[in-house]
Amino acid sequence: NAGVTQTPKFRVLKTGQSMTLLCAQDMNHEYMYWYRQDPGMGLRLIHYSVGEGTTAKGEVPDGYNVSRLKKQNFLLGLESAAPSQTSVYFCASRTSGQHEQFFGPGTRLTVL
Amino acid sequence: AQSVTQLDSQVPVFEEAPVELRCNYSSSVSVYLFWYVQYPNQGLQLLLKYLSGSTLVESINGFEAEFNKSQTSFHLRKPSVHISDTAEYFCAVSEAGNQFYFGTGTSLTVIP
Repeated sequence: NAGVTQTPKFRVLKTGQSMTLLCAQDMNHEYMYWYRQDPGMGLRLIHYSVGEGTTAKGEVPDGYNVSRLKKQNFLLGLESAAPSQTSVYFCASRTSGQHEQFFGPGTRLTVL
Repeated sequence: AQSVTQLDSQVPVFEEAPVELRCNYSSSVSVYLFWYVQYPNQGLQLLLKYLSGSTLVESINGFEAEFNKSQTSFHLRKPSVHISDTAEYFCAVSEAGNQFYFGTGTSLTVIP
């Protein structure tokens, strides 16, 4: 039982490049979330999903897209990366029967 | 939307001394409350949670938090800290369960 995993762990992009971050969970959780963590700002919700095939915007969705084609995977895409998207990205999941979220180890993204 | 305030961004404390990390939230409607801990270069781990019932909740490593509805607070305490408690601590609030609102974090440094 790996819990929540994130791929890759580190990535450096140039401005304008695109990439996809993968989040996978093996706990059969319905809900999945993408956050970004920036110094002094805590965690801010980018997008979330309440089930396979559904997505919704969070607090800071601009510049990001997501997809939830399979229940266990939640993808975060950056179509045209900007330096303002330099951050640490965390994925989380939870089941509908409980309220706490389980977090992945994070992806550190640098956009030059 | 909820607003979560962690009043202290950094808290230095000597080993074996008591500590309190403060958390206040904005709405007095029914909420679920959480404290998460983040060790360097790791994801967030659930420390303790309040869902209902007793207003005092405890973790397995000696931390406790008390839900105070009238003051909309959920302060975290430990009577005697250890070096290994050095970490970033985040307070989080959830209303309907779909979204979490995080505070900006408190960096606890335990001094030998």
